[in-house]
Amino acid sequence: AQSVTQLDSHVSVSEGTPVLLRCNYSSSYSPSLFWYVQHPNKGLQLLLKYTSAATLVKGINGFEAEFKKSETSFHLTKPSAHMSDAAEYFCVVSDAGYGGSQGNLIFGKGTKLSVKP
Amino acid sequence: DTGVSQDPRHKITKRGQNVTFRCDPISEHNRLYWYRQTLGQGPEFLTYFQNEAQLEKSRLLSDRFSAERPKGSFSTLEIQRTEQGDSAMYLCASSQWMGAYNEQFFGPGTRLTVL
Repeated sequence: AQSVTQLDSHVSVSEGTPVLLRCNYSSSYSPSLFWYVQHPNKGLQLLLKYTSAATLVKGINGFEAEFKKSETSFHLTKPSAHMSDAAEYFCVVSDAGYGGSQGNLIFGKGTKLSVKP
Repeated sequence: DTGVSQDPRHKITKRGQNVTFRCDPISEHNRLYWYRQTLGQGPEFLTYFQNEAQLEKSRLLSDRFSAERPKGSFSTLEIQRTEQGDSAMYLCASSQWMGAYNEQFFGPGTRLTVL
């Protein structure tokens, strides 16, 4: 069975400093992994996706994530935080890999990112 | 705006009443998913359709819940005899299923409050 664990429920950074949001996954086979962002009163937006191509994935708004199979991790990073990055971030695994047919998404509990001026 | 719309955006109802939500997916997408998100949690899968066929239902989907996708276009989610525990954000997502990869596009959600 697939699952994700987001290691921090809340991360606070200062504007201009690096962001690190941690995620570990569990999957029976090669997973598809995603990061989604949810701004207050807005829908979920896909930040980036890993689908067994390059292990370093670049997304929108300067975010990137690295797939590390040996550590079963998919941490999200950004070199310099902006005030507009304040939101809830979800690490997500899909069973739409080899042998998976449903393709439904399994979300972590979320990490709330606060950005201080 | 992802192109997925949901109606209504907010619904307040009294316990015991029935409610129905609608989702309009991106028109060329063949898959439509429903999720539920409670406060402080990530979304949880409820059910999904491929075209008009409902292929999977989560254990979260009690017999008070029913979903349809007639003609493989829009979908409705009905909750009968609502309970306070049904209060949540109900999210709809759509995707074009092509095998091993499944990027889903989410609507803004319908927030249900059961008094």
